[in-house]
Amino acid sequence: DIQMTQSPSSLSASVGDRVTITCRASQSISNYLNWYQHKPGKAPKLLIYAASTLQSGVPSKFNGSGSGTDFTLTISSLQPEDFATYYCQQSYSTLTFGGGTKVEIK
Amino acid sequence: QVQLQESGPGLVKPSQTLSLTCTVSGGSINSGSYFWSWIRQPAGKGLEWIGRIYVSGNTNYNPSLKSRVTISVDTSKNQFSLKLSSVTAADTAVYYCAREGTAMAYNWFDPWGQGTLVAVSS
Repeated sequence: DIQMTQSPSSLSASVGDRVTITCRASQSISNYLNWYQHKPGKAPKLLIYAASTLQSGVPSKFNGSGSGTDFTLTISSLQPEDFATYYCQQSYSTLTFGGGTKVEIK
Repeated sequence: QVQLQESGPGLVKPSQTLSLTCTVSGGSINSGSYFWSWIRQPAGKGLEWIGRIYVSGNTNYNPSLKSRVTISVDTSKNQFSLKLSSVTAADTAVYYCAREGTAMAYNWFDPWGQGTLVAVSS
């Protein structure tokens, strides 16, 4: 299986901050990489697919980039509704997820 | 819009079979080129893809669970189901169902159900 490693596992940030989350694949996955937002008790939500394509209805403050083994999700100007756990997921081979990054309020 | 809802027992005894159903509303399970997937998350751990089914009945399973997993679909009820046999405490998790979209070889999960907690305990 392809291992997906996210960093950091958690971070504290303030409203208005710019936040960057990193996802690294154990082997090249081209751009077969998705990002999800998950709030407790809610259904996870697709943010970005194919590494950089914003899902319809997702605000443009979310930006995905990268290819090969290294990927980033950037949230510009963090808002209260953005505090959540974020997961990356590869679809290059047997589907696997990163361990998650919990974004908390500072 | 399409919504998914998991249902099933919240407690299963060790060695028994875990059975869950995902009901799709707001759209037909037959429409479009979608797969229908199950994903789980043990407490404090990451997400694990279990497997998928297409409305034709074709299935793909995670090799780590393949020997114990069966996913089926009932198009007349707009539902798909998961059976996981010979469960142990390690199978205790929140189980999610999700629609898996695909385009140009890219796959993604959208939308997801809210998840249902299944505990394995005697």
